[in-house]
Amino acid sequence: ETGVTQSPTHLIKTRGQQVTLRCSSQSGHNTVSWYQQALGQGPQFIFQYYREEENGRGNFPPRFSGLQFPNYSSELNVNALELDDSALYLCASSPGTSKVGELFFGEGSRLTVL
Amino acid sequence: GQNIDQPTEMTATEGAIVQINCTYQTSGFNGLFWYQQHAGEAPTFLSYNVLDGLEEKGRFSSFLSRSKGYSYLLLKELQMKDSASYLCAVRDRTGYSTLTFGKGTMLLVSP
Repeated sequence: ETGVTQSPTHLIKTRGQQVTLRCSSQSGHNTVSWYQQALGQGPQFIFQYYREEENGRGNFPPRFSGLQFPNYSSELNVNALELDDSALYLCASSPGTSKVGELFFGEGSRLTVL
Repeated sequence: GQNIDQPTEMTATEGAIVQINCTYQTSGFNGLFWYQQHAGEAPTFLSYNVLDGLEEKGRFSSFLSRSKGYSYLLLKELQMKDSASYLCAVRDRTGYSTLTFGKGTMLLVSP
């Protein structure tokens, strides 16, 4: 069973640029969520997608946007990058049938904004 | 809103037992999770509590008291590989996979 995979693993951008991060969810998982983890902090919820629709959003500005595709893979887009956007971006998937609803995380994409 | 508190760091020796506490204040509650995160790696699921009491899973156990807004993760027979950050997270009623995480407790296991 293939786990959650994310790309790229590391990237460096400058202020004002735009970035797209990609995620392939675990096989059979139809819900994907994105989290931002700053250094020394816990992950912070950005948004969640279920069947290609956003159905939950955390306290992030509109320049953070996303997509989920029919194969349940997902993208996170961040426009007008700011220095504070430097963080590890984690994608997590979960099966719709799980009673517990635990999240399965990818290894993350580490974004540095200069 | 949600507020989750856990100690920043803890140290313990190999073979010992350690308890990591987590207190939370939430506007709704639909389960508490513990995740383990090794440096530079993805968080991995350890345990889930939604009812009061103790859940045991091998060397790891997790306890929940909803009336006190309190949980702990108990690690027995500590091994060097248990050195990691332990994240407490609460799910509220609004989202299936919407978790609010604490800042994590960095556990260092020494020989």
